[in-house]
Amino acid sequence: GQQLNQSPQSMFIQEGEDVSMNCTSSSIFNTWLWYKQDPGEGPVLLIALYKAGELTSNGRLTAQFGITRKDSFLNISASIPSDVGIYFCAGQGNSGNTPLVFGKGTRLSVIA
Amino acid sequence: KAGVTQTPRYLIKTRGQQVTLSCSPISGHRSVSWYQQTPGQGLQFLFEYFSETQRNKGNFPGRFSGRQFSNSRSEMNVSTLELGDSALYLCASSWDRVSGEQFFGPGTRLTVL
Repeated sequence: GQQLNQSPQSMFIQEGEDVSMNCTSSSIFNTWLWYKQDPGEGPVLLIALYKAGELTSNGRLTAQFGITRKDSFLNISASIPSDVGIYFCAGQGNSGNTPLVFGKGTRLSVIA
Repeated sequence: KAGVTQTPRYLIKTRGQQVTLSCSPISGHRSVSWYQQTPGQGLQFLFEYFSETQRNKGNFPGRFSGRQFSNSRSEMNVSTLELGDSALYLCASSWDRVSGEQFFGPGTRLTVL
């Protein structure tokens, strides 16, 4: 089945630093999504990308849909303590009939 | 607009029992997907329902089943529980099957003893 490789697995950063994480796939996706999950809660949708090369921002978050359609990255600028959590990428293949495939997540820790 | 709701939030069962989890999607959303989340395996797709029909199924044994009602509410059932079924079960809803945007509920934490 389709696999998503998400890296890094975990990150420890200082408050105020920028963060970058990415996902790569062995197959082409038509949709890339980025979610954040806080402990004990469900994932919350941060950014949705639908077009190769698309760059989309949501506040301090910026995500890009890779040109090859096999990768995506998420940047967080000027991190703050509430950015702590697990960030997941998810992709959907060519057909809207295929389920989302999720990466294993990047655990972000912010040191004040 | 209310988000996705799941009940119960926490559940403790013993091996061999069965369990039913409930999910109410966002109003107007017709597609409901279920996922199992464990520390080792991450988010694993269970199944998707749209218009009361199962449209996709993940690689889980037949002990895992689900259904969707005419109001789009969905239930999933796990029979003959095993220790390895302990997990966070997440429900996500979306407007239709074309849009990939799925909105998750808070999950049901199932512990099997």
